[in-house]
Amino acid sequence: GQQLNQSPQSMFIQEGEDVSMNCTSSSIFNTWLWYKQDPGEGPVLLIALYKAGELTSNGRLTAQFGITRKDSFLNISASIPSDVGIYFCAGQGGSNYKLTFGKGTLLTVNP
Amino acid sequence: NAGVTQTPKFRVLKTGQSMTLLCAQDMNHEYMYWYRQDPGMGLRLIHYSVGEGTTAKGEVPDGYNVSRLKKQNFLLGLESAAPSQTSVYFCASSYDGGTAGLYFGPGTRLTVL
Repeated sequence: GQQLNQSPQSMFIQEGEDVSMNCTSSSIFNTWLWYKQDPGEGPVLLIALYKAGELTSNGRLTAQFGITRKDSFLNISASIPSDVGIYFCAGQGGSNYKLTFGKGTLLTVNP
Repeated sequence: NAGVTQTPKFRVLKTGQSMTLLCAQDMNHEYMYWYRQDPGMGLRLIHYSVGEGTTAKGEVPDGYNVSRLKKQNFLLGLESAAPSQTSVYFCASSYDGGTAGLYFGPGTRLTVL
């Protein structure tokens, strides 16, 4: 089946730093999604991308749909302590009704 | 709107016991999903449903059964729990099969001793 490689697995940064993470796949996806999971909660959708090359922002978050349709990137600018959590990428390809999730990036922000 | 709710929030079982996890959504979504989350493994799809009365297997369906008798409810059953089923279980729903994203419940933490 389709697999997503998400990196890095974890990041430990200082408050105010910028963060970058990415997902790559051997398959083409038509939709890329980025989620955040706060400790003890379910994942929440941050950004959805639908076109190759698309760049979308949500506050301090910016995500891009790779030109090859096999990758996506998420950047967080000027991190704050509440950015702590696990960030997941997810992709949907073809006509199925399922998302494929990456294994997540655990972000820790040191105040 | 409550969104997606899950019952119970926590449960401890002994090996061999059975239980049912209940998921309910009030958004009139057609699609519903059960995932499990384990450290370092991300979210893995157990079973899903594309509408009332339908179910389908995901990546890791063994040891689980599901039912979707009503559109708003999706039940996950463990007939004979095993320690390998210790995990956090998330239910999710969507109106379009996931293209606009999934709405997740708060999770059920299950421990099998």
